[in-house]
Amino acid sequence: AQSVAQPEDQVNVAEGNPLTVKCTYSVSGNPYLFWYVQYPNRGLQFLLKYITGDNLVKGSYGFEAEFNKSQTSFHLKKPSALVSDSALYFCAVRDRVTGGGNKLTFGTGTQLKVEL
Amino acid sequence: NAGVTQTPKFQVLKTGQSMTLQCAQDMNHNSMYWYRQDPGMGLRLIYYSASEGTTDKGEVPNGYNVSRLNKREFSLRLESAAPSQTSVYFCASSEMTDRSEQFFGPGTRLTVL
Repeated sequence: AQSVAQPEDQVNVAEGNPLTVKCTYSVSGNPYLFWYVQYPNRGLQFLLKYITGDNLVKGSYGFEAEFNKSQTSFHLKKPSALVSDSALYFCAVRDRVTGGGNKLTFGTGTQLKVEL
Repeated sequence: NAGVTQTPKFQVLKTGQSMTLQCAQDMNHNSMYWYRQDPGMGLRLIYYSASEGTTDKGEVPNGYNVSRLNKREFSLRLESAAPSQTSVYFCASSEMTDRSEQFFGPGTRLTVL
């Protein structure tokens, strides 16, 4: 079975400060990992993914994420937060050994609030 | 290139009524999905279609049926709506490979009274 945990329901950060949104996962084999962002009343938008190779993955809008296999984590980061980054962020995982289609398991989401 | 489109955007039903949510994608993707989003629970997979002609149950399929009408279209039907089905429903599509990201539609907000 595959699962994802986002331990923080909400993260508050001041504009210009670095931000981190945490994600840990559990899979049987090796994972594919994804981050999505959801703005109010909109669908989810893909930010970045880890498939293989370099543990630091760069994505859209200046976001990056670091894959840490020993800690089974995939935290989302940005060096300097913007007010416009305020949104709901979802981490998702797919276990490579699981058959039956490209099924993702999503975390419960973390609300990011960036304040002036 | 519209991506993934969903109709309707909003719907209010009475308990016991039926309705069909429509989804279409123009990205030539093989796989399509239906999710529901509830506060504090993230997204939960209802049904998915790995390729045209196939459908499979996800995490929360009870009370729903799906039809993969063709490669572009994947509909979700509520035969007898219940208040517990009040939610926001998202359709998504992706390439068939397991490393592919999913692309989401704008959602349908459904209220069952």
